Amino acid sequence: QSVLTQPPSVSAAPGQKVTISCSGSSSNIGNNYVSWYQQLPGTAPKLLIYENNKRPSGIPDRFSGSKSGTSATLGITGLQTGDEADYYCGTWDSSLSAGWVFGGGTKLTVL
Amino acid sequence: QVQLVQSGAEVKKPGASVKVSCKASGYTFTSYGISWVRQAPGQGLEWMGWISAYNGNTNYAQKLQGRVTMTTDTSTSTAYMELRSLRSDDTAVYYCARQKLRFLEIDYWGQGTLVTVSS
Repeated sequence: QSVLTQPPSVSAAPGQKVTISCSGSSSNIGNNYVSWYQQLPGTAPKLLIYENNKRPSGIPDRFSGSKSGTSATLGITGLQTGDEADYYCGTWDSSLSAGWVFGGGTKLTVL
Repeated sequence: QVQLVQSGAEVKKPGASVKVSCKASGYTFTSYGISWVRQAPGQGLEWMGWISAYNGNTNYAQKLQGRVTMTTDTSTSTAYMELRSLRSDDTAVYYCARQKLRFLEIDYWGQGTLVTVSS
């Protein structure tokens, strides 16, 4: 069971918008930056969003991130079939067993 | 461009040890840390620990304390992860990943190394 909670799956049609939530606590999301990762089938994860809402160079502005309290959200607009992937949120957890934590992952299906 | 190139797939017997390497290029190795993340078949990402390439300081996941050792060789810009007393549930793809500080984002990932533990 992951420290950060994500929905197992989301789906939407091409061209539509989807959001993926990531819920945590004050020891992780509430007091640390959140980042988001995309993992296409059979490949290594790739950084999509860092410091809650910043995009690395080369990531299109169709991808956005936000954070409020102990939750974070990844938004994807103008969905493309190439966006079908697993998406993970991640952050530092500063509890007694301090370490980096990931959400369980969300499988995005573009119908 | 930043590249992290990992060693090849391994097959190990239960109780054995495995050591995976990760050669970095395209950036100043000692200005960043390296995290190791594993992914069991069909499962999510699990962070194993982080090592500073600057001073060798480590931070291991509590679950793996005592079984994992992370090291770096600054002369070759290579990071290593050794996992001992392997069990079948250690079967996974192991990734190295660049992470400037342990509480910041992981920004580049290696291609992954499949470690299979089977008798």
